[in-house]
Amino acid sequence: SYELTQSPSVSVSPGQTARITCSGDALPKQYAYWFQKKPGQAPLLIIYKDIERSSGIPERFSGSSSGTTVTLTISGVQAEDEADYYCQSADNSGTYVVFGGGTNVTVL
Amino acid sequence: QVQLVESGGGLVKPGGSLRLSCTASGFTLSDYYMKWIRHAPGKGLEWVSEINRSGTITYYADSVKGRFIISRDNAKESLYLQMNSLRADDTAVYYCARDRPYLEGMDVWGQGTTVTVSS
Repeated sequence: SYELTQSPSVSVSPGQTARITCSGDALPKQYAYWFQKKPGQAPLLIIYKDIERSSGIPERFSGSSSGTTVTLTISGVQAEDEADYYCQSADNSGTYVVFGGGTNVTVL
Repeated sequence: QVQLVESGGGLVKPGGSLRLSCTASGFTLSDYYMKWIRHAPGKGLEWVSEINRSGTITYYADSVKGRFIISRDNAKESLYLQMNSLRADDTAVYYCARDRPYLEGMDVWGQGTTVTVSS
């Protein structure tokens, strides 16, 4: 079955830049989405269609895509950005939704 | 306001059944594809199932295929997930989510309902 691969964790100091990558063979063909997940809360859509920021999301969050890898960048990380981040896409057919394993972002 | 509210979770023995419900408010359910996603303890998000606007087309993750059934009643603004032959590894928080058209992603999620499968 199709998989999206994310690094398990990223640690960053406040004000620095965090980059979270997600790799998958179908990413050149299928859009990627990014969700923020905090304990006890529902996932929050941050980025859709690889690069589009969802309504109400701060400008410090941005998405990019290159080949089989998509990247979520958090510029000027704030303490409130500490969370798990999940990429999501679809298999080559576009039928089946897939999530990456998640990346835990720790703000030092 | 735009909202999804899940219900129906609980404690069930292995092999048992549960029916989850998801009620929409603030928008017209029939305008959207809908999905169920779950989050097991200590694990990542997992897509479970999806249904088209009219309820005529459904998709399932391999892990639940043949055991779970997704359905909807647009007149009641409600989405359902019938879960049968439950196993311990189905233990999770289950979320329903609205999927925007034009591939714009899952923008509205419920607060989740907890399903625990244990003897």
